[in-house]
Amino acid sequence: GQNIDQPTEMTATEGAIVQINCTYQTSGFNGLFWYQQHAGEAPTFLSYNVLDGLEEKGRFSSFLSRSKGYSYLLLKELQMKDSASYLCAVRALGAFSGGYNKLIFGAGTRLAVHP
Amino acid sequence: DAGITQSPRHKVTETGTPVTLRCHQTENHRYMYWYRQDPGHGLRLIHYSYGVKDTDKGEVSDGYSVSRSKTEDFLLTLESATSSQTSVYFCAIAKTSGQETQYFGPGTRLLVL
Repeated sequence: GQNIDQPTEMTATEGAIVQINCTYQTSGFNGLFWYQQHAGEAPTFLSYNVLDGLEEKGRFSSFLSRSKGYSYLLLKELQMKDSASYLCAVRALGAFSGGYNKLIFGAGTRLAVHP
Repeated sequence: DAGITQSPRHKVTETGTPVTLRCHQTENHRYMYWYRQDPGHGLRLIHYSYGVKDTDKGEVSDGYSVSRSKTEDFLLTLESATSSQTSVYFCAIAKTSGQETQYFGPGTRLLVL
């Protein structure tokens, strides 16, 4: 089967660092995405990992371990505007009948940043 | 801005009525997707399209149909809306089915009474 788990809610303090974990079980794994979604808005792309290791992009970093089926999103120097849901999504190769790929989304982690 | 619009942005309808949601893109991307988002479930794929007149079912396609007669438009139809179809619907586009990132439209909030 295919399954993605991430914590439902997290809280953190402005200026701090927070790590949001994502574990997955899926066949045909071919990449992991993180999206940010503010309340009432569309998801927006944050990062993509296909190889093991850390990808850094400004205050945000994303890590992947394919052997462990594990990823995390690291947010540094938290700001109030980082309060949002963070969605982990795994791409599964050839998951459709036509051989096309698909994204499988976790339920999202709602992060609240407090002053 | 990925050049995606959705219409309507909000809709209230009654059980049993047909509803059509429109997704329009200006980027000429080949792949388009319809998702629904419900609390506790994340985004779930309803249908997708890999070209004009080429569509296929996603994981929650029952009760929905789609059409794509032009590259820029992807329509989602609820033939006979039910209360279980109350949700937020997002359209997404992607350049290819490979590494590409999916970019999402602003969403449509649908309430079925």
